[in-house]
Amino acid sequence: EVQLLESGGGLVQPGGSLRLSCAASGFTFSGSAMTWVRQAPGKGLESVSSISGGGETAYYADSVKGRFTNSRDNSKNTLYLQMNSLRAEDTAVYYCTKAAPYYLEYWGQGTLVTVSS
Amino acid sequence: EIVMTQSPGTLSVSPGERATLSCRASQSVSSKLAWYQQKPGQAPRLLIYGASTRATGIPARFSGSGSGAEFTLTISSLQSEDFAVYYCQQYNNWPRTFGQGTKVEIK
Repeated sequence: EVQLLESGGGLVQPGGSLRLSCAASGFTFSGSAMTWVRQAPGKGLESVSSISGGGETAYYADSVKGRFTNSRDNSKNTLYLQMNSLRAEDTAVYYCTKAAPYYLEYWGQGTLVTVSS
Repeated sequence: EIVMTQSPGTLSVSPGERATLSCRASQSVSSKLAWYQQKPGQAPRLLIYGASTRATGIPARFSGSGSGAEFTLTISSLQSEDFAVYYCQQYNNWPRTFGQGTKVEIK
């Protein structure tokens, strides 16, 4: 059974940093592209960043480019999202998803990031 | 960036009736189109990929059609568990953009 478990969310001040983690199990992690998707409260879905199975290639939404870094440790079956220079508009539930390889086949339950002073 | 537009914003349907949801892309995405269902407080769930292929475990009452820039999700006979928000997503180009969602509510 595929499981994706996000952690690391919480309350952070504007300009602060946070690192999200996603522990994956039930599939060959190193062979799977992974994508972070976020959803602001009461809003729709936004693709934040995708990363290839080996971690060589990553794509970012313009809204986070230069501030967020998507990475993975295939030896630990874990995906990361380092978020710097956080803004109020980054407040959202962040979902870790397994891409297959482009549509989003499995989703974690999400972790809430709140950026507020 | 490809803009995905869903219509209607809200669809009021009685249980047992048919629901038809539309999704339009600002340019062709071939058949690189997926549909997701999201219930309150839950993560989205993949329903359809490749515009018309049901994901594992998805009931046959869900069907997708279309190609290019016009797509449709049909729910043939709405069950109580189908009342939710539905999103389309193109995965032909990065960024993978979503529509704004269609809420299917009980009439």
